[in-house]
Amino acid sequence: DTAVSQTPKYLVTQMGNDKSIKCEQNLGHDTMYWYKQDSKKFLKIMFSYNNKELIINETVPNRFSPKSPDKAHLNLHINSLELGDSAVYFCASSQDPRTTGTGELFFGEGSRLTVL
Amino acid sequence: DAKTTQPNSMESNEEEPVHLPCNHSTISGTDYIHWYRQLPSQGPEYVIHGLTSNVNNRMASLAIAEDRKSSTLILHRATLRDAAVYYCILRDPLDAGKSTFGDGTTLTVKP
Repeated sequence: DTAVSQTPKYLVTQMGNDKSIKCEQNLGHDTMYWYKQDSKKFLKIMFSYNNKELIINETVPNRFSPKSPDKAHLNLHINSLELGDSAVYFCASSQDPRTTGTGELFFGEGSRLTVL
Repeated sequence: DAKTTQPNSMESNEEEPVHLPCNHSTISGTDYIHWYRQLPSQGPEYVIHGLTSNVNNRMASLAIAEDRKSSTLILHRATLRDAAVYYCILRDPLDAGKSTFGDGTTLTVKP
């Protein structure tokens, strides 16, 4: 059983389209994240949800909208895709880092988005 | 705006120990030091973390300087499967654990 699973693994689409990436975790964690890894391999946090509440919202274009229907799921919807959105998007989960102090991150395998 | 700096690359021979350094001179008192590694085409994998004291687990050891401004990840006997990019990051519970991974160190293990 995969602990953190993302779908799709690969996504190729045209500029201007809208797409979604789904993430599910079966670790019983209450905090989930979206990270973006660009071509330079920097992993930058985008969003974090705790029990469906947004707790981290970095400087991300409002074309990106996360949605957390429950604490085991965090989806990422991207509107009006641009060339610069091409990257690998990683979902992760952890225990609440504000209370545990540790909160080691468990990552999915990534979703490679290519915008043409 | 990563808060940690690491060498871009390191090499090791198989079955020898590897010491991967990380500088975090602006660390705050509540920052935990975490290490992750990323194999090609995979998501990052948790390795170890600590606050002030040195830590050991089945994967590695973490040595933290007394002033906490640097740390070292120690792989006791490198194997070919340890070849990866190793990231040192800080996670602050007072900042919702927000963290950005820096460049990381690409470890090459030679047989």
